[in-house]
Amino acid sequence: AQRVTQPEKLLSVFKGAPVELKCNYSYSGSPELFWYVQYSRQRLQLLLRHISRESIKGFTADLNKGETSFHLKKPFAQEEDSAMYYCALNTGANSKLTFGKGITLSVRP
Amino acid sequence: DAGVTQSPTHLIKTRGQQVTLRCSPISGHKSVSWYQQVLGQGPQFIFQYYEKEERGRGNFPDRFSARQFPNYSSELNVNALLLGDSALYLCASSPTPNSNQPQHFGDGTRLSIL
Repeated sequence: AQRVTQPEKLLSVFKGAPVELKCNYSYSGSPELFWYVQYSRQRLQLLLRHISRESIKGFTADLNKGETSFHLKKPFAQEEDSAMYYCALNTGANSKLTFGKGITLSVRP
Repeated sequence: DAGVTQSPTHLIKTRGQQVTLRCSPISGHKSVSWYQQVLGQGPQFIFQYYEKEERGRGNFPDRFSARQFPNYSSELNVNALLLGDSALYLCASSPTPNSNQPQHFGDGTRLSIL
């Protein structure tokens, strides 16, 4: 069965520091991977997906099939990046997403 | 565009009761999925419906059921409520069930069981 692991619950950094939010997945086939973000008092929303290979709000994530990882990175954190971040995996021909437990990113001024 | 809308926003029930949660997808979206999110966890998949047919079911008991209407809105029903059913129930929509399409989430219904 597929599984998503986000090993840390909280990451606290100062503004301008680099950020790496870890995500590892368990799936033997070709996965579709996503990062979702939830800002305070807002709904869960898509941040980026691996097939797009784009940078959103300065964040990037590269799929590493050898290490089964999809870590989210940003070189210089901003206070407005403070939020809950979820890594999610889609393995089937439908919209079923398997989510990790999430990580709270806190960026201090 | 109002996005995905869910009702009610909050609900309090007692054990053994039944509850119905409602979801309206984004206009043009034909696929609706339901997720349960308990405190401290990520959302967990319950159901997916597309064109009024069930296309996927997660590891939930038969007390959980859902349906989709001709206008693509959806209802989630839970019977014989247990304390453990207390959670945030999220609805998500996408144009089709294709796995590479992002899902758009609603604000959720907060269900509390006393």
